[in-house]
Amino acid sequence: DGGITQSPKYLFRKEGQNVTLSCEQNLNHDAMYWYRQDPGQGLRLIYYSQIVNDFQKGDIAEGYSVSREKKESFPLTVTSAQKNPTAFYLCASSKDGTGGTEAFFGQGTRLTVV
Amino acid sequence: GQQLNQSPQSMFIQEGEDVSMNCTSSSIFNTWLWYKQDPGEGPVLLIALYKAGELTSNGRLTAQFGITRKDSFLNISASIPSDVGIYFCAGQKSSYDKVIFGPGTSLSVIP
Repeated sequence: DGGITQSPKYLFRKEGQNVTLSCEQNLNHDAMYWYRQDPGQGLRLIYYSQIVNDFQKGDIAEGYSVSREKKESFPLTVTSAQKNPTAFYLCASSKDGTGGTEAFFGQGTRLTVV
Repeated sequence: GQQLNQSPQSMFIQEGEDVSMNCTSSSIFNTWLWYKQDPGEGPVLLIALYKAGELTSNGRLTAQFGITRKDSFLNISASIPSDVGIYFCAGQKSSYDKVIFGPGTSLSVIP
């Protein structure tokens, strides 16, 4: 089955530590995205990548870093520089280019800083 | 930056009632998308719209791409308890632009 997978579902981090969230897709999509969602809020774009080895900052990139070494994978690192990292993180992918623009989401990772 | 506005922000309705919500922008979009998010899950695509004036249905859901290309509407007929969740609209200016999400409309259905 094709899809987009995020892991882990729940993650706890001590203050001051970096943590990496995984996102893998086997949909052969070119574009991948990371969003942050706070309780009762909409989706805010952190980073996005439209092609391997290239990515762009979104609206709230400070304190986060990404890499796109493979088409299938777009890991997000939440660094200790992120002041308020506790949130629900969503990864998405879309075909982009000439093939359509619908984004498909993973199940999300809930990060809690303790 | 570009923003999408959704209204209403939240709504409480009786089971069986019809629901209407909308999404507006100050910019023109070529694509409108509607998603539903269940609590603790990722959003799921409901309907995609690609042409001004287009009206598309998915079961009890119907969405329309506004003529001005600056708005879109979602209707749910005969609501049921599993319709509960947050409904997001999203727009894209072109296939080379990032998708922009609205803040969502929270729907509660009272049995």
